[in-house]
Amino acid sequence: ELKVEQNPLFLSMQEGKNYTIYCNYSTTSDRLYWYRQDPGKSLESLFVLLSNGAVKQEGRLMASLDTKARLSTLHITAAVHDLSATYFCAVGYNFNKFYFGSGTKLNVKP
Amino acid sequence: NAGVMQNPRHLVRRRGQEARLRCSPMKGHSHVYWYRQLPEEGLKFMVYLQKENIIDESGMPKERFSAEFPKEGPSILRIQQVVRGDSAAYFCASSINDWTGPYNEQFFGPGTRLTVL
Repeated sequence: ELKVEQNPLFLSMQEGKNYTIYCNYSTTSDRLYWYRQDPGKSLESLFVLLSNGAVKQEGRLMASLDTKARLSTLHITAAVHDLSATYFCAVGYNFNKFYFGSGTKLNVKP
Repeated sequence: NAGVMQNPRHLVRRRGQEARLRCSPMKGHSHVYWYRQLPEEGLKFMVYLQKENIIDESGMPKERFSAEFPKEGPSILRIQQVVRGDSAAYFCASSINDWTGPYNEQFFGPGTRLTVL
């Protein structure tokens, strides 16, 4: 079974700082998704990464995919409090089955 | 264009009762997925359905759980004789499922939070 590991699981950072969340997966896949979840809410799609070397940016978040290393990163630049949430990566496998990481709970302190 | 709809949003059941969770996919989407999220954990795949067909139920517990997606109406996830361990958030997602195309993005509903007393 495909395994997806995220780290760190918890991240507390000051506003204005930079940090990276890592997502490793165990089986070849060319589809990687990042989602954001606020407490008690559903998942909001952030990025869809479909090919090796793909890089996407939206505001203070940038995601990249290295399919050879089976690694995706979510980089946060100059964090603000509004980014506090739990971030999940998900790997698409066998067309429609998604495997999720355990999530990274981000707390940005003012 | 309404998103994925789920109801109820919160459901409380006593042990031994049945729970029925409903999911209406986004307009134009004919593929539905159910996931379970335990507290402080990621989502775990349960089942993937198309209209009137179960495509992949490899994540469904062997007993008490069933899912359907009829020709008309919402998809239903049914849990019989609930136990405390069934307490979780259950999310439904839908996709347009053009899996031959570049995107196979799943869009998630707001979830049903099931509490078993």
